[in-house]
Amino acid sequence: SAVISQKPSRDICQRGTSLTIQCQVDSQVTMMFWYRQQPGQSLTLIATANQGSEATYESGFVIDKFPISRPNLTFSTLTVSNMSPEDSSIYLCSARQGNTGELFFGEGSRLTVL
Amino acid sequence: DAKTTQPNSMESNEEEPVHLPCNHSTISGTDYIHWYRQLPSQGPEYVIHGLTSNVNNRMASLAIAEDRKSSTLILHRATLRDAAVYYCILRDSTGNQFYFGTGTSLTVIP
Repeated sequence: SAVISQKPSRDICQRGTSLTIQCQVDSQVTMMFWYRQQPGQSLTLIATANQGSEATYESGFVIDKFPISRPNLTFSTLTVSNMSPEDSSIYLCSARQGNTGELFFGEGSRLTVL
Repeated sequence: DAKTTQPNSMESNEEEPVHLPCNHSTISGTDYIHWYRQLPSQGPEYVIHGLTSNVNNRMASLAIAEDRKSSTLILHRATLRDAAVYYCILRDSTGNQFYFGTGTSLTVIP
């Protein structure tokens, strides 16, 4: 199994600012992903964080708005840039080890943009 | 990715079995069927997954129809801690991403 820690767990941000969320896994993992979960909704995949290269973004998400880093096999960051109230959401980091079926999740980072 | 269809919500009495259905009529031969659940204020957690045969683990059982166009997650004895949103997800064996549908919100009645 893998334990995933996210920081911050929650934050209140001003419109127009940017916030970086950190994701730390307690073991090396092959795949890391970032999801968004808006209030009362399901999870939407933002991107796959690729180690040592640019992230792979899903339709509707772009690097300028959600830059992602993954410098090694245990750590990734997601930045939410130039925030607006529509970005208020829970952002979840997840990871897979090898080719097993199981996906592990962090507790999420709840962002409120005023 | 193939889509899944689940009821929006279900209720169960405590200590009774719960059968959570999932339809996936466009499933392909290489799609695995995964179930995750999300307890309130937590990230999703793995429940079970399978390809063709029924599967059992300590949390639940997964019954897969012979034509694989539907599956059922079975909680053998619901507890209050099982109240959560349950997601049925298809993942191609060659793909890495998991795409979540709307899920079923399970309420367990004491």
